[in-house]
Amino acid sequence: EIVLTQSPGTLSLSPGERATLSCRASQSVSSNYLAWYQQKPGQAPRLLIYGASSRATAIPDRFSGSGSGTDFTLTISRLEPEDFAVYYCQHFGSSLLYSFGQGTKLEI
Amino acid sequence: QVQLQESGPGLVKPSETLSLTCSISGGSIRNYYWSWIRQPPGKGLEWIGYFYYSERTNYNPSLKSRVTISADTSKNQVSLKLKSVTAADTAIYYCARAAGDTFSVDVWGKGITVTVSS
Repeated sequence: EIVLTQSPGTLSLSPGERATLSCRASQSVSSNYLAWYQQKPGQAPRLLIYGASSRATAIPDRFSGSGSGTDFTLTISRLEPEDFAVYYCQHFGSSLLYSFGQGTKLEI
Repeated sequence: QVQLQESGPGLVKPSETLSLTCSISGGSIRNYYWSWIRQPPGKGLEWIGYFYYSERTNYNPSLKSRVTISADTSKNQVSLKLKSVTAADTAIYYCARAAGDTFSVDVWGKGITVTVSS
């Protein structure tokens, strides 16, 4: 079973700054099945990135994903006030099981 | 535009079976993976399992002995049954759709809060 570990647990930044969130897998995984989600309080998660680097529909281009193997990164180039939320990485593995990271809280 | 709506009891007694239904509107069950995902209060996301329209299912190993996910294609609904619940099963339960190419979850229901308590 693949374990995804996100870091940091909490990231404190200001609007206009750059955010870099990490997701590390316990073993090498296919980047085709690595996704990132954003969740705001009281809302369901929203898909941001799929296939490690492809933006989902209507996601602003300040969000970007990268990485391969065991190390993946979500970057938000210039933080907007609405970007402060919790972010999760997720993988669908060869065992046909899903796994989620524990989340990174991005706070002002 | 596909919309998902979870329904079911908001309160379940310990040792009983939690039963939820996801009603799918604006799209078909076919060709997608339909997952249930939960989130305990103040915690992260936990994948429970999925149903694929060809009757294929797969479950989180930690819940496998207690979970059944099924679908009624005539009603465009996916159901979750979780038996022998405890307080640890208290959570928001989300119905979610994933495409079969990327397996990323692109559509989520609003979620339903289920509390396990006597």
